[in-house]
Amino acid sequence: QIQLVQSGPELKKPGESVKISCKASGYTFTNYGMYWVKQAPGQGLQYMGWINTETGKPTYADDFKGRFVFFLETSASTAYLQINNLKNEDMATYFCATNSGYEGVMDAWGQGASVTVSS
Amino acid sequence: DIQMTQSPASLSASLGETVTIECRASEDIYSNLAWYQQKPGNSPQLLIYDANSLADGVPSRFSGSGSGTQYSLKINSLQSEDVASYFCQQYNNYPWTFGGGTKLELK
Repeated sequence: QIQLVQSGPELKKPGESVKISCKASGYTFTNYGMYWVKQAPGQGLQYMGWINTETGKPTYADDFKGRFVFFLETSASTAYLQINNLKNEDMATYFCATNSGYEGVMDAWGQGASVTVSS
Repeated sequence: DIQMTQSPASLSASLGETVTIECRASEDIYSNLAWYQQKPGNSPQLLIYDANSLADGVPSRFSGSGSGTQYSLKINSLQSEDVASYFCQQYNNYPWTFGGGTKLELK
């Protein structure tokens, strides 16, 4: 079955960068796109965008254009989210998710990776 | 972007009760709507897609309905394991957008 395993919690200072990984297994990595979703503490879900795992082309939601980067290591079936120039408002749990059925339906999720930003 | 408005924001119900959560889209999303359940400390899990199709392994006490801009999630015979937050999400227009969530607790 599809499994997405994310990297562990991160503690960073404002202005630093963080890289979160999402390793996929149980399917052919390039068959399905990878989505990223942000959840700030005690808040709801915010769609960040997705990356086409076949072409490597990322697409970002408007709030995540600029400091956020999606990229792949296809040989390792792994997707990455990098956040540059961290700000306090980036403190959140970040989920990767994929869809094996309908485009836009996230039917498999990683366990989440928490990012704490503190000076 | 399409705005998704969920109600209520929180809900308290008794075991065995029937619970309904509403989701309204700012424009017609043609049933391209999913519902997710997120238990405390866990990642979201898909419950329903295409407004009324049950995802694999989801108990039949969950059901979805609606069309146009108005959708609902119904939980029949509430169980203790249903304590969670529930989110709707539209995938008709990019970017996909989520509702604000409904936190369901036991009374």
